[in-house]
Amino acid sequence: KNEVEQSPQNLTAQEGEFITINCSYSVGISALHWLQQHPGGGIVSLFMLSSGKKKHGRLIATINIQEKHSSLHITASHPRDSAVYICAVGRLRNEKLTFGTGTRLTIIP
Amino acid sequence: GAGVSQSPSNKVTEKGKDVELRCDPISGHTALYWYRQSLGQGLEFLIYFQGNSAPDKSGLPSDRFSAERTGGSVSTLTIQRTQQEDSAVYLCASSLVRGSPLHFGNGTRLTVT
Repeated sequence: KNEVEQSPQNLTAQEGEFITINCSYSVGISALHWLQQHPGGGIVSLFMLSSGKKKHGRLIATINIQEKHSSLHITASHPRDSAVYICAVGRLRNEKLTFGTGTRLTIIP
Repeated sequence: GAGVSQSPSNKVTEKGKDVELRCDPISGHTALYWYRQSLGQGLEFLIYFQGNSAPDKSGLPSDRFSAERTGGSVSTLTIQRTQQEDSAVYLCASSLVRGSPLHFGNGTRLTVT
């Protein structure tokens, strides 16, 4: 079993829909990262969080440390949100991130 | 200023040749990471530099891989005697300090023929 599991692997939705991507992990972490990778490969860090909830524009990330679970939400989704969203966890006492396999999101106009 | 810069953006090499990949982190960032993303695979940690501390090399897949970071800034990832399975996108990231958000470069796409 992977230390970081994401679901779903693929998600297609209509423009305007509310999107949720889930991430579960099985190890102790110092922080959880949500990353966005567009076609062409560039990766952008969306959030880094260790507790609670963060919001940036239409994006919201939450984490439940006790349940070892995080969600990334996108409100009022738009075709430009189409990308691969990657969850990664930073382990306690070391800095190497462990990555989920990503969720490929496609928003249809 | 500029973000994390990687060069070359693409590299095609013959099996058995050595390659060097370069990463220029954001100025002032003390932490630097190398990751690899093979086709259809997730990201894989390779090596981590933090300031003047000894690097964490635990992710390097074999002794053909090495990396250095000179003067706490530019880093070079060297792959000796390349193999076809080394074909991947090699990504560099930096952060201001340990535990702060990561900034990724656009990667170097390595193809070993």
